[in-house]
Amino acid sequence: KNEVEQSPQNLTAQEGEFITINCSYSVGISALHWLQQHPGGGIVSLFMLSSGKKKHGRLIATINIQEKHSSLHITASHPRDSAVYICAVTNFGNEKLTFGTGTRLTIIP
Amino acid sequence: DAGVIQSPRHEVTEMGQEVTLRCKPISGHNSLFWYRQTMMRGLELLIYFNNNVPIDDSGMPEDRFSAKMPNASFSTLKIQPSEPRDSAVYFCASRGLKGSETQYFGPGTRLLVL
Repeated sequence: KNEVEQSPQNLTAQEGEFITINCSYSVGISALHWLQQHPGGGIVSLFMLSSGKKKHGRLIATINIQEKHSSLHITASHPRDSAVYICAVTNFGNEKLTFGTGTRLTIIP
Repeated sequence: DAGVIQSPRHEVTEMGQEVTLRCKPISGHNSLFWYRQTMMRGLELLIYFNNNVPIDDSGMPEDRFSAKMPNASFSTLKIQPSEPRDSAVYFCASRGLKGSETQYFGPGTRLLVL
């Protein structure tokens, strides 16, 4: 069973700061997902990646397969980025998502 | 596209009652997933279907839980009888053809069993 750990659990930052959220997993994976859960509860898939880096607007996701580690970065953070960010992985031959416990991000104006 | 549709959005029921949650996946998607989210355990996969066939139901907690997908546009998750510990938010998600692994989540059903 893949163990997925995120850090930090909670993060509070000032508007404009550069944010980094980390995710590590214990077993080789076929893909890693970053999800965003808004305060209202809705879940949005931000990225799915299996190698390298992806960028969408102010969000950047990277993954290091050898180190079994991924990071989610937010540049020029804004209060609307306040949400819970969840890392999840899928294993080879299996479509199940295994979730981390999430990182609660609060951006203060 | 309307996205994944779930109903009801909120459900309050008494212990012992039957609860049925419904999901309509995005048209053309061939995989459907049911998740449960609680404060204690976070997000957990309950069951998923490929082409309407249940593939893995190892996350279904007990025989009280059952899920069906009679066709490509509809799925149900049923709890009978319900218990207070079933209180959670239940999410449905769908995904397109394998190789496009992004899952699209519905808004969730918030269930409270008294």
